[in-house]
Amino acid sequence: DAKTTQPNSMESNEEEPVHLPCNHSTISGTDYIHWYRQLPSQGPEYVIHGLTSNVNNRMASLAIAEDRKSSTLILHRATLRDAAVYYCILRDVYTGGFKTIFGAGTRLFVKA
Amino acid sequence: GAVVSQHPSRVICKSGTSVKIECRSLDFQATTMFWYRQFPKQSLMLMATSNEGSKATYEQGVEKDKFLINHASLTLSTLTVTSAHPEDSSFYICGGQVNEKLFFGSGTQLSVL
Repeated sequence: DAKTTQPNSMESNEEEPVHLPCNHSTISGTDYIHWYRQLPSQGPEYVIHGLTSNVNNRMASLAIAEDRKSSTLILHRATLRDAAVYYCILRDVYTGGFKTIFGAGTRLFVKA
Repeated sequence: GAVVSQHPSRVICKSGTSVKIECRSLDFQATTMFWYRQFPKQSLMLMATSNEGSKATYEQGVEKDKFLINHASLTLSTLTVTSAHPEDSSFYICGGQVNEKLFFGSGTQLSVL
């Protein structure tokens, strides 16, 4: 699986938008870009995923660069409950038995 | 989203005993389940992939005889930590896949005394 690079931590104020970046310069054509988040003492939670086009859902938006070598998870209005570790992951559904390798992720701190 | 139920959420055991962790897919059939281990302040580390009706695939460095995985049905996968020792104390997480998405259990905190 291709690797991803994320900042170790980021800080945001409550009610403000948050842009979480992810670099994946070695992404292959069949890699989907997935984002998961993990709240303290919980299993990871699916946030969003995409292949080439930007994606929106009730939780967040995913902006994918035209060359697909980077992406940004956008939380439109951060709340205290969004404080978590966010993982950007590449998943090639045609190889590797679908196994998913997690990187270090970005720890998001949200200030009231 | 799909629901994965993991039990127990927390277990404390004596060194040398075995502990079984159950992972159930409540509303989907899981032909594959993933088992991860997570130490404090670290990321998830993939231990093994369990496959319904066949042997699990273990990641390099993970002892098959120590971490026994059984996936006998499409809704249940189990991880048994045999002869547990304090260094096995960790947060264990299971996950299944629905379409392209992964869904995870709430994790099991294992403490070995």
